[in-house]
Amino acid sequence: QKEVEQNSGPLSVPEGAIASLNCTYSDRGSQSFFWYRQYSGKSPELIMSIYSNGDKEDGRFTAQLNKASQYVSLLIRDSQPSDSATYLCAVTSRGSTLGRLYFGRGTQLTVWP
Amino acid sequence: GAVVSQHPSRVICKSGTSVKIECRSLDFQATTMFWYRQFPKKSLMLMATSNEGSKATYEQGVEKDKFLINHASLTLSTLTVTSAHPEDSSFYICSARNPRGGNTGELFFGEGSRLTVL
Repeated sequence: QKEVEQNSGPLSVPEGAIASLNCTYSDRGSQSFFWYRQYSGKSPELIMSIYSNGDKEDGRFTAQLNKASQYVSLLIRDSQPSDSATYLCAVTSRGSTLGRLYFGRGTQLTVWP
Repeated sequence: GAVVSQHPSRVICKSGTSVKIECRSLDFQATTMFWYRQFPKKSLMLMATSNEGSKATYEQGVEKDKFLINHASLTLSTLTVTSAHPEDSSFYICSARNPRGGNTGELFFGEGSRLTVL
């Protein structure tokens, strides 16, 4: 069974701080890793994708992947109240239908002014 | 703008009726679309994989006769909730992969459809 685990939070950080979101996955065959942001009542929105070990930066967001540890994280620098949302970690798996994602339960982030 | 469009965004129906939700890929052809269900404060649960021109593949525990999926064209998949009951009230979301991105093609989500069964 392919499992994706996230610390469910809620995670609360002050405006301007760094928010750190973590995710572990069980399937060593996982090849693609995604972070989605979901506002209440809305569908998920892709924030970051990462496919190889190391860091990937995009603006205030940095994704980190460590396949040996089966760990992927998302750092949000200079957090803003508009970043308050649920962040979903999702992974693909070798052998699964292309595009089939396995989701974690999400981490609820609150950024307070 | 949205590349996967879902309609309706919100629907309220009486118990026992059927509801159809449409999912369209707007600027790419999707041979495969995915249907998810999400309960409040829970993660997305994959219900089924919709395959153009063939039968959908349902996840374990999902009733095929209750959640009818049709993928008649490369840009449209529909989910019909038959004989809906209050426990079917949920947020239904579709997604589609843009094949132009190769094996790592980006997956796009529709806006979601909030179903409330009275």
